[in-house]
Amino acid sequence: DTAVSQTPKYLVTQMGNDKSIKCEQNLGHDTMYWYKQDSKKFLKIMFSYNNKELIINETVPNRFSPKSPDKAHLNLHINSLELGDSAVYFCASSQRGPPTLEQFFGPGTRLTVL
Amino acid sequence: QKEVEQNSGPLSVPEGAIASLNCTYSDRVSQSFFWYRQYSGKSPELIMSIYSNGDKEDGRFTAQLNKASQYVSLLIRDSQPSDSATYLCAVNTGKLSFGAGTTVTVRA
Repeated sequence: DTAVSQTPKYLVTQMGNDKSIKCEQNLGHDTMYWYKQDSKKFLKIMFSYNNKELIINETVPNRFSPKSPDKAHLNLHINSLELGDSAVYFCASSQRGPPTLEQFFGPGTRLTVL
Repeated sequence: QKEVEQNSGPLSVPEGAIASLNCTYSDRVSQSFFWYRQYSGKSPELIMSIYSNGDKEDGRFTAQLNKASQYVSLLIRDSQPSDSATYLCAVNTGKLSFGAGTTVTVRA
């Protein structure tokens, strides 16, 4: 029944490791997003895919690589994790891109890099 | 200048009072505006969207938009302890740009 789901909910790992976060939406939306929310609660977009096509790619280190196998799924792979990557990562989806952009968020994945 | 700025919190209001949240944005061509509520440890939840100048009411929430002044606000009437959360203003700039949020505490 969950509209936007993410796994895992928590991720604790060592510096230098590679990890992935998965996201799925069952809303039939065309567009999906990855956001990062840092310790100061500032929410910043990282990537956006529309029908499996990358449409937004903010200034994000290339250690971060999104992948959308189909329009209901958007995964995020992070290579060579660093301490500064510790944050909550949210997946979101919307019916369409601009202009309306009503987005619905997943529960978040709290990543802690030790 | 930040794309979206919100009045700094935290904002503490007594139960039953009106909480007033303000947001300004820098991109004049923005067409759609949103308020999200985020409880501690939870994900942002869309509570209001507004696209044209004026007021839009939904239950105890009223969003106000003034495109000429590049200003959008959220009023929470009859504030309840369950309204205690961080409220995020978001503006469509081709992507959603979020403000830093205003934390509201409703005192019982």
